[in-house]
Amino acid sequence: KAGVTQTPRYLIKTRGQQVTLSCSPISGHRSVSWYQQTPGQGLQFLFEYFSETQRNKGNFPGRFSGRQFSNSRSEMNVSTLELGDSALYLCASSLGDPSGEQYFGPGTRLTVT
Amino acid sequence: AQSVTQLGSHVSVSEGALVLLRCNYSSSVPPYLFWYVQYPNQGLQLLLKYTSAATLVKGINGFEAEFKKSETSFHLTKPSAHMSDAAEYFCAVRTTSGSRLTFGEGTQLTVNP
Repeated sequence: KAGVTQTPRYLIKTRGQQVTLSCSPISGHRSVSWYQQTPGQGLQFLFEYFSETQRNKGNFPGRFSGRQFSNSRSEMNVSTLELGDSALYLCASSLGDPSGEQYFGPGTRLTVT
Repeated sequence: AQSVTQLGSHVSVSEGALVLLRCNYSSSVPPYLFWYVQYPNQGLQLLLKYTSAATLVKGINGFEAEFKKSETSFHLTKPSAHMSDAAEYFCAVRTTSGSRLTFGEGTQLTVNP
């Protein structure tokens, strides 16, 4: 079974631009969660989508948004990029129950200059 | 609200020595607990999880963890460290509905020859 894939793997953007990251979950998984990882703040939850609906949301500004498509693929968008948005963005997929495993993708490394 | 504390941001052991990585959680309801490992430039890989079925949980690569409710702990151990165990380890908790994980700060494990 193919794992979680994220595209692109690396991205360099300029302050003020916007960016869209993509995540394809494991086949059959209906939940996709996004996390931001930085050296200073560690791993922080952004949001979770389940069956095309946002089910949970972390404490991030409205510049961070996401969506999920009918095939469970998910995208996250960051508008008006700031230097502090430079991070590794990780996507995780699961069946959606609290006791179940989350499987992580390799991440997208975003650098904002 | 739940939280996780990992004691020791850096742990160094000799090859063949015991590995002990500490994790304490705070939760008002019975938690689901997880340990993940992250190798450089990769996503997170699940080592093991606790979901109340058994207090001693065995995971991959020889790791195990014991859930101790009285101590609110879920420490990760491995009897004999291998060079390939060098990585960053994260403890995580989940109690709410959905798939949201709250992570600890991480522990960087170094294995010396």
